[in-house]
Amino acid sequence: GQQLNQSPQSMFIQEGEDVSMNCTSSSIFNTWLWYKQDPGEGPVLLIALYKAGELTSNGRLTAQFGITRKDSFLNISASIPSDVGIYFCAGRPYFTGTASKLTFGTGTRLQVTL
Amino acid sequence: EAGVTQFPSHSVIEKGQTVTLRCDPISGHDNLYWYRRVMGKEIKFLLHFVKESKQDESGMPNNRFLAERTGGTYSTLKVQPAELEDSGVYFCASSHQAAGNTIYFGEGSWLTVV
Repeated sequence: GQQLNQSPQSMFIQEGEDVSMNCTSSSIFNTWLWYKQDPGEGPVLLIALYKAGELTSNGRLTAQFGITRKDSFLNISASIPSDVGIYFCAGRPYFTGTASKLTFGTGTRLQVTL
Repeated sequence: EAGVTQFPSHSVIEKGQTVTLRCDPISGHDNLYWYRRVMGKEIKFLLHFVKESKQDESGMPNNRFLAERTGGTYSTLKVQPAELEDSGVYFCASSHQAAGNTIYFGEGSWLTVV
């Protein structure tokens, strides 16, 4: 099946630093989504990307849909303690039999120190 | 508006027992999904309902798992008999048919099989 390689697996950063994480796929995706999961909660959608090359921001978060359709990155600027959590990329493969099925990355665990 | 709700939030059962997880999607959402995250792994798709019909059940691990959505409202996922490797978090999600890309997740049902 489809696989998404997400990196890094975990990050320890200081408050105020910028963060970058990315996902790559061996096949083409037509939608890239970025979710955040807080402890004990379900994933919450942060940013959705629908076109190759698209760059979208949501507050301090910026994500881009790679030109090759095989990758995406998420940047967080000026991190704050509440950014702690697990960030997942997710996508829909271009040649999927079910439009709505999502493939998830393994997640990036972010910890922010004061 | 209430979000996706799941019950129970946590469950600990012995190997060989049966567990039934319930999901109430957002009112009016025709699409209902089940996903699972086993410890340290990515979130994986299990199946997708459109109203009461199973649109895609390609992610169901084996015949010990049975999902139903009678009447096209809430859904149940039964594991019988449970095995140790079934431990993990089971997420339910829903989306509106006209906006299928925005998928809202519940908080998850955390299952531990001992």
